[in-house]
Amino acid sequence: GQNIDQPTEMTATEGAIVQINCTYQTSGFNGLFWYQQHAGEAPTFLSYNVLDGLEEKGRFSSFLSRSKGYSYLLLKELQMKDSASYLCAVRDSNYQLIWGAGTKLIIKP
Amino acid sequence: IAGITQAPTSQILAAGRRMTLRCTQDMRHNAMYWYRQDLGLGLRLIHYSNTAGTTGKGEVPDGYSVSRANTDDFPLTLASAVPSQTSVYFCASSQGGATGELFFGEGSRLTVL
Repeated sequence: GQNIDQPTEMTATEGAIVQINCTYQTSGFNGLFWYQQHAGEAPTFLSYNVLDGLEEKGRFSSFLSRSKGYSYLLLKELQMKDSASYLCAVRDSNYQLIWGAGTKLIIKP
Repeated sequence: IAGITQAPTSQILAAGRRMTLRCTQDMRHNAMYWYRQDLGLGLRLIHYSNTAGTTGKGEVPDGYSVSRANTDDFPLTLASAVPSQTSVYFCASSQGGATGELFFGEGSRLTVL
């Protein structure tokens, strides 16, 4: 079966760096996405990786290793507003998105 | 403001009742999707439409139906609601292309008693 694994919850301190990992086993691979979802709100797109390596976008970076079935989202200079759930999703060979359950990130002052 | 509008935002209904969740987008996206989100689970695809006039079944289609009469609207109907359909429902659209990122509506919280 297809599976996306990510930690359920993480805690970090304001101003610090946190890395949220995602491992996947899917039928084929056509890209990996990270979305941010604040409590009670809709998910919003953060990043997309289809080739191995690091994609940087401001304070957020996303890394992909296709051979290892692994990605991480790196958040730098954490702010209180970064408290949210972070969803990892993989697009499979049928171009359907398979979603992880999300990682709830708690930022403490 | 361009985007996706869902209605209602919240609804409580009795089991056995019929319910339609509305979804309208003004971005002229071809693809539209309905997901449900339950605690501890990833988003699960109910139905999708790649273009007006076509629909397809997702991972959890039973008990739900959709239609896509035009580009903008993609309603989701529960013919006879059951308590297991209590969930938050998100409509999304995609422009397609290399990235194909999804744009989500604000969600509809449905409680079936």
